[in-house]
Amino acid sequence: KNEVEQSPQNLTAQEGEFITINCSYSVGISALHWLQQHPGGGIVSLFMLSSGKKKHGRLIATINIQEKHSSLHITASHPRDSAVYICAVPSIQGAQKLVFGQGTRLTINP
Amino acid sequence: NAGVMQNPRHLVRRRGQEARLRCSPMKGHSHVYWYRQLPEEGLKFMVYLQKENIIDESGMPKERFSAEFPKEGPSILRIQQVVRGDSAAYFCASSPLNQGAPQHFGDGTRLSIL
Repeated sequence: KNEVEQSPQNLTAQEGEFITINCSYSVGISALHWLQQHPGGGIVSLFMLSSGKKKHGRLIATINIQEKHSSLHITASHPRDSAVYICAVPSIQGAQKLVFGQGTRLTINP
Repeated sequence: NAGVMQNPRHLVRRRGQEARLRCSPMKGHSHVYWYRQLPEEGLKFMVYLQKENIIDESGMPKERFSAEFPKEGPSILRIQQVVRGDSAAYFCASSPLNQGAPQHFGDGTRLSIL
């Protein structure tokens, strides 16, 4: 079973701050997913990455396969970034079966 | 190109009734996944289906829960004789045929059991 740990569980910051959310997993993987769940509950897939770094707007995701660790960064954070960010990796029982972290609840205050 | 469509968004049932949750995948997607999010808990895999086939149902409770993805129409997650513990958000995701493609999520169905 692939275990996924996220930190911190909760994060509150001021608008404009640089945000980092971390994800560690226990078993080697082919790709890692970062998801965003807004207060309304819907889930959006932000990134799927298997090596290096990906960038989309103010969001940056990095992964270190050797260390089994990924980070999600948000630059120039804004209150609309307030959401739960979830890391997910494939289960060792099947690549299509995702195992999820508990999520990091991010609150950005104006 | 519409995303993954789930309905209803909210469903209220009394104990003992049946709940039917529907999921229409994105156009061109042939793989469907169901996940459950219990209150204050993380997402958990339930079942993975392709058209007319259940590929992996290792996350499905042994009783009362079933899923299908017929040749025509949406995927259905069916919960018979619902109990209070079934109250949760149920998310559907879909992906295209190629292995390793990202999954696209629907907005979920929030099931409340009275």
